[in-house]
Amino acid sequence: LAKTTQPISMDSYEGQEVNITCSHNNIATNDYITWYQQFPSQGPRFIIQGYKTKVTNEVASLFIPADRKSSTLSLPRVSLSDTAVYYCLVVAGQAGTALIFGKGTTLSVSS
Amino acid sequence: EPEVTQTPSHQVTQMGQEVILRCVPISNHLYFYWYRQILGQKVEFLVSFYNNEISEKSEIFDDQFSVERPDGSNFTLKIRSTKLEDSAMYFCASRSQGAETQYFGPGTRLLVL
Repeated sequence: LAKTTQPISMDSYEGQEVNITCSHNNIATNDYITWYQQFPSQGPRFIIQGYKTKVTNEVASLFIPADRKSSTLSLPRVSLSDTAVYYCLVVAGQAGTALIFGKGTTLSVSS
Repeated sequence: EPEVTQTPSHQVTQMGQEVILRCVPISNHLYFYWYRQILGQKVEFLVSFYNNEISEKSEIFDDQFSVERPDGSNFTLKIRSTKLEDSAMYFCASRSQGAETQYFGPGTRLLVL
């Protein structure tokens, strides 16, 4: 599976848009990009998944350029409750494989 | 919204003791997973389970670990003889047929003394 690289930490203020970029240079043709969120002492929670271009749901948007070597998770108008660790994962197209987590990006939102 | 549940939420045990961690996956899911997260470290894959057998396991999942689906709802992780380094949060996850998204439970915090 492709290795992912994302910033260790980011700081933001309430109401701002936060963009977390992840690089995955060796992504394979059948791989998907998936983002999870984890609050302290809780299990990871699925946020969004995409293959290419742009995906949007009620929580976030995911932008994936044509070469798919990077992706950007966009959180609109963050609040204090968005303070968490955000993980970018590359998931093999063959469903059922294990999720391989990195260290993620710790997002701290202040008022 | 259906959720993965885990019991107990906390477990304290003595080194060398056996522990069983329990999970109830989402009811129509067919794929089950265990992960662990040592305090301050990343989430690590342990094992995946489908059709009543292990489909994949990591190096962490040695002979001290076993998994079982004893009935139609529960999915368990047994650690036969716990070690201090087994202290961690253990997360169960499940997934439905044909989907990639894994849904995680709230975890069991295991402390081995």
